[in-house]
Amino acid sequence: QSALTQPASVSGSPGQSITISCTGTSSDVGSYNLVSWYQQHPGKAPKLMIYEVSKRPSGVSNRFSGSKSGNTASLTISGLQAEDEADYYCCSYAGSSTLVVFGGGTKLTVL
Amino acid sequence: QVTLRESGPALVKPTQTLTLTCTFSGFSLSTSGMCVSWIRQPPGKALEWLALIDWDDDKYYSTSLKTRLTISKDTSKNQVVLTMTNMDPVDTATYYCARSYRPGFYFDYWGQGTLVTVSS
Repeated sequence: QSALTQPASVSGSPGQSITISCTGTSSDVGSYNLVSWYQQHPGKAPKLMIYEVSKRPSGVSNRFSGSKSGNTASLTISGLQAEDEADYYCCSYAGSSTLVVFGGGTKLTVL
Repeated sequence: QVTLRESGPALVKPTQTLTLTCTFSGFSLSTSGMCVSWIRQPPGKALEWLALIDWDDDKYYSTSLKTRLTISKDTSKNQVVLTMTNMDPVDTATYYCARSYRPGFYFDYWGQGTLVTVSS
């Protein structure tokens, strides 16, 4: 059982927007603006898409955005494209004892 | 250009000790704030953070695996080594190393991963 809770799957049609939630606790997501999101295509290493809740690394499409409210972080993908079909993982700093926790992952299907 | 590459055995027997090496380039682990982590992913399952070592040689471990893990670095060789004792079939996974920073704790560069199978 992962420390952060994500929906197992989400789906959307090309051009639509989808949001993936990531629910933690007051010990991780709720206490630190250190949530990151990763995209993973089958057989590939994860790729950083969002860091520090809402920042985008250079080269990542502005169709990807992040936010946080209380103990829940969210990743929104707008203008869905076929290439966005992948697994997405959230991650949060969780203090000096636990350090880092991941979510269970969400499979995004582009219909 | 930042790159990381994991190396180690593809197959280990139960109860054996696993030793994995992460060889990196394009950055120095002696730079303030720089860190390298190990993260694993069992087949079809989620990512699991295992351990982190930072520029100051501070080490952090997953609470659930702390007693089995040791992380170390050789700055001159640009390598980070992870050992995991008492391997079990449930430890079968792809093991990744990844670069991160303190503060921030996000993983911006990843190796391609190495699949380790635990079987007799």
